[in-house]
Amino acid sequence: GENVEQHPSTLSVQEGDSAVIKCTYSDSASNYFPWYKQELGKGPQLIIDIRSNVGEKKDQRIAVTLNKTAKHFSLHITETQPEDSAVYFCAASKTGGFKTIFGAGTRLFVKA
Amino acid sequence: DVKVTQSSRYLVKRTGEKVFLECVQDMDHENMFWYRQDPGLGLRLIYFSYDVKMKEKGDIPEGYSVSREKKERFSLILESASTNQTSMYLCASFNGLVARHEQFFGPGTRLTVL
Repeated sequence: GENVEQHPSTLSVQEGDSAVIKCTYSDSASNYFPWYKQELGKGPQLIIDIRSNVGEKKDQRIAVTLNKTAKHFSLHITETQPEDSAVYFCAASKTGGFKTIFGAGTRLFVKA
Repeated sequence: DVKVTQSSRYLVKRTGEKVFLECVQDMDHENMFWYRQDPGLGLRLIYFSYDVKMKEKGDIPEGYSVSREKKERFSLILESASTNQTSMYLCASFNGLVARHEQFFGPGTRLTVL
């Protein structure tokens, strides 16, 4: 069935370093790839997304890249700050579909 | 400010009890979802609804049912709670009329079944 694999499950970086989280999806018809951030005690919140007709998208310190051929997409956070510490989920869905398939999540720790 | 609210943040129930988890959204969204979140498993879809009185099974519907009598409210029902239903439950909604399928999540209900 449809699947999204996410790595690593835990990531610890020093403040100011970069963090990269990688995901692979199985359904080649997927064309929308959002990333959600879940802070402690809260529900996930969308931080950035990318569509399959775009290879890269950037928003300040966060960027997402997509390789449709390899069915890989990645989240890049530069100049990490303690407030970036959270659980990050990648996801994939299709236009016209209702279901979003989520990865297992990455717990990011940013050490001050 | 868009909002999805869930009736309880923490809930403790006993095995065999009937449990109701309620979710309300104020964004006039057609689509609403119930997920459970478990460590290492991410978010797994239990049920979703694309309109009032309409419901569809997700990936793990066994032991659960849902009700959507009004557009803004989507309820998850555990008919007879079991210990393996101890989990974090998240409700979400999105506007299916826009291309961006951004899901708006509630804060979650942490359910413990003893």
